[in-house]
Amino acid sequence: AQSVTQLGSHVSVSEGALVLLRCNYSSSVPPYLFWYVQYPNQGLQLLLKYTSAATLVKGINGFEAEFKKSETSFHLTKPSAHMSDAAEYFCAVSDSSGSEKLVFGKGTKLTVNP
Amino acid sequence: KAGVTQTPRYLIKTRGQQVTLSCSPISGHRSVSWYQQTPGQGLQFLFEYFSETQRNKGNFPGRFSGRQFSNSRSEMNVSTLELGDSALYLCASSHGHVGSREQFFGPGTRLTVL
Repeated sequence: AQSVTQLGSHVSVSEGALVLLRCNYSSSVPPYLFWYVQYPNQGLQLLLKYTSAATLVKGINGFEAEFKKSETSFHLTKPSAHMSDAAEYFCAVSDSSGSEKLVFGKGTKLTVNP
Repeated sequence: KAGVTQTPRYLIKTRGQQVTLSCSPISGHRSVSWYQQTPGQGLQFLFEYFSETQRNKGNFPGRFSGRQFSNSRSEMNVSTLELGDSALYLCASSHGHVGSREQFFGPGTRLTVL
């Protein structure tokens, strides 16, 4: 069965500092990996996805993630945090079957301090 | 292009009642998935419909059911509501073809069971 572990339920950074949100996955088949962001009282917005092409994936709002098969990791980074990045971030995995089912991590709430 | 819409946005019910939630996918999308989000369990997959057929199902009791219409709109129904069913219910749509792997989420329906 697939699973996702997000290390750190809360992460706090200063504005302008590096953002690093950690995600490790477990999958018996080549996975599809995703990062979503959720702002208060809203649905999920896709930041980026890995679908077996380039291992370094660039997303929206300056975010990127690197797929490392040997470490089963897909960490999300942004060089310089902005106040508007404060939100909850979810890592998700999907398998290569015909279903769209996503398995999500528990989420990491990012706080950006001025 | 209009996004995924969910109605109603907020709902208050009492234990034992039943409820129906509606989701209209992005035009041209044939797959609709439903997720339950709670503080304790996080985001959990309920089921996915593709071309009016249930393609995958999560580990929820039979009180949770869904369907999809020929225009791809989907409904989910919860019968005999329990307090623990209080959650944000999110709907996501996608093209549903192998390789598309990009789901777009609606704003959710916030269900409160009293």
